[in-house]
Amino acid sequence: GAVVSQHPSWVICKSGTSVKIECRSLDFQATTMFWYRQFPKQSLMLMATSNEGSKATYEQGVEKDKFLINHASLTLSTLTVTSAHPEDSSFYICSARDVTSGYNEQFFGPGTRLTVL
Amino acid sequence: GQNIDQPTEMTATEGAIVQINCTYQTSGFNGLFWYQQHAGEAPTFLSYNVLDGLEEKGRFSSFLSRSKGYSYLLLKELQMKDSASYLCAAMDSNYQLIWGAGTKLIIKP
Repeated sequence: GAVVSQHPSWVICKSGTSVKIECRSLDFQATTMFWYRQFPKQSLMLMATSNEGSKATYEQGVEKDKFLINHASLTLSTLTVTSAHPEDSSFYICSARDVTSGYNEQFFGPGTRLTVL
Repeated sequence: GQNIDQPTEMTATEGAIVQINCTYQTSGFNGLFWYQQHAGEAPTFLSYNVLDGLEEKGRFSSFLSRSKGYSYLLLKELQMKDSASYLCAAMDSNYQLIWGAGTKLIIKP
């Protein structure tokens, strides 16, 4: 099956610093990648959708200048949390889909747990 | 608007059968997904239905009725490791997943 990796698995940073999270599709071309955020005991919340080579589409209420998304290749997307604050502490999960495959399934990465002190 | 409804929490006994229901309203429809999520982990894919009917996969089965906007996930021969949250998600006409809040399933011995 398709594999998606995320790095790092967990990160602790100081308030005001920036954190970059990588999402890679290991054995397929991810034409579309999705970034989710999940707070404890809550469901997944879609933050943005990115298509390779174009700007990400952000969901309402998500600051695009704070959460920078780059999808420069068919196997890599990055999410950068700029000037992180404690309220940004959350579980960040990416998923990927190959729209050319004919399959609608999204394959999830293992997630990145961010703690901002 | 788009909406997914599923129960917040269910409890079942080890070895028994449990059915988790999901109703959906979306702009267009490109299939219904079920994912399992253990605490602190990312979701893992369980099933995908796009046509009416029952899809069976081992101990897990998923059913879809497009006319009713309804799906269920059936888990048989429950095991303790099945304790998790089960997420229902419908894909709309833009191929975007609309997520339910998840059903926390508690398995008791």
